[in-house]
Amino acid sequence: SYEVTQPPSVSVSPGQTASITCSGDKLGDKYVCWYQQKPGQSPVLVIYQDTKRPSGIPERFSGSNSGNTATLTISGTQAMDEADYYCQAWDSSVVFGGGTKLTVL
Amino acid sequence: QVQLVESGGGLVKPGGSLRLSCAASGFTFSDYYMTWIRQAPGKGLEWVSYISSSSTYTNYADSVKGRFTISRDNAKNSLYLQMNSLRAEDTAVYYCARVGGGSGYEGDYWGQGTLVTVSS
Repeated sequence: SYEVTQPPSVSVSPGQTASITCSGDKLGDKYVCWYQQKPGQSPVLVIYQDTKRPSGIPERFSGSNSGNTATLTISGTQAMDEADYYCQAWDSSVVFGGGTKLTVL
Repeated sequence: QVQLVESGGGLVKPGGSLRLSCAASGFTFSDYYMTWIRQAPGKGLEWVSYISSSSTYTNYADSVKGRFTISRDNAKNSLYLQMNSLRAEDTAVYYCARVGGGSGYEGDYWGQGTLVTVSS
């Protein structure tokens, strides 16, 4: 079955750029989306179709997907962006990455 | 506004059954695929199942295939998950989500989740 892999943790200083990767075989051929989940809350979609932002998601969130790697980029990271982030792809079934804990310090 | 409200979670013994419900409002329910996703305590997200808008197509994770059944009632704007032969590893918060129009099966709106605990 298809698998996608994320780093368990990423750290970033406030105001800097955070990059969270999601890797899988020929992932660039599939649509990838990203979710943000804060403690005790339901996940929120922040990127879909590799690069699109849902209404209400700040412009500092962006996405890319090419080759074997999709990337979620958060520019000018704020303390409120500290959360778990999950990538998701579809390959005959829905597949989630294991999640990345983003720490803003 | 879009609202999804899950119910039906609780404590059940191994081997038992439970039926989860998800009440939808704020959108034309019959136009959208719907999906169930779960999250074990302290763990990541795990996709469980999805169903097409008219119930024609369903798909299940291997971990629940043959034990869980997804269904919907478009007249009642409701999504269901019948869970049989429950195991300890099915313990999780179960979320229902609307599948967006991006064709990547993304969940664009999620409910608050309902906790299922399988324990003797």
